[in-house]
Amino acid sequence: GESVGLHLPTLSVQEGDNSIINCAYSNSASDYFIWYKQESGKGPQFIIDIRSNMDKRQGQRVTVLLNKTVKHLSLQIAATQPGDSAVYFCAERRGTYKYIFGTGTRLKVLA
Amino acid sequence: EAGVAQSPRYKIIEKRQSVAFWCNPISGHATLYWYQQILGQGPKLLIQFQNNGVVDDSQLPKDRFSAERLKGVDSTLKIQPAKLEDSAVYLCASSFWSALAGGPADTQYFGPGTRLTVL
Repeated sequence: GESVGLHLPTLSVQEGDNSIINCAYSNSASDYFIWYKQESGKGPQFIIDIRSNMDKRQGQRVTVLLNKTVKHLSLQIAATQPGDSAVYFCAERRGTYKYIFGTGTRLKVLA
Repeated sequence: EAGVAQSPRYKIIEKRQSVAFWCNPISGHATLYWYQQILGQGPKLLIQFQNNGVVDDSQLPKDRFSAERLKGVDSTLKIQPAKLEDSAVYLCASSFWSALAGGPADTQYFGPGTRLTVL
């Protein structure tokens, strides 16, 4: 299959540990943010979202934190599993439903 | 629920040739997006349709790229003529249109993409 993100920043974590993936966004007017997971040969898959009027949102094993002061977004994955290995993108919504994607981070889970 | 379908999955052409990609969105999704994803980068929006109308095509290189969604369902993206720098994965996504939200509901569902290699 195709490889996504051969030259992306890489985060390597031990299986069972927590992962934190960071993203900086540029537009203070962005009002909505999404984290996507992209596995090799597949399209991005929605993980979790957060609106700008929130600081934190939790899902199943995932938490997104938003710091609007420094325009920073993070994705925390609890008890990282081998199936979490993928490239993770943040996306910010600008204007009328236009989404700008970040460059992505490759997560490698070590057994 | 069936996902977003795209074809072909892979295409190899020589520069200056033409190519077309096809997308079938999730049933009932009024909004359709085409993205270009160059290796090592995040997806970049090329064009967005709401039903059969264009909402945003500001980043579509209109001298060589064209897209249509004639019946508000399937869509095709064409490149003519292709350049080496067009080598990328072309992703189609769709989302539900919500009148309450005033536009597309936020979750975009992506297809598997078409990997284009221009030689």
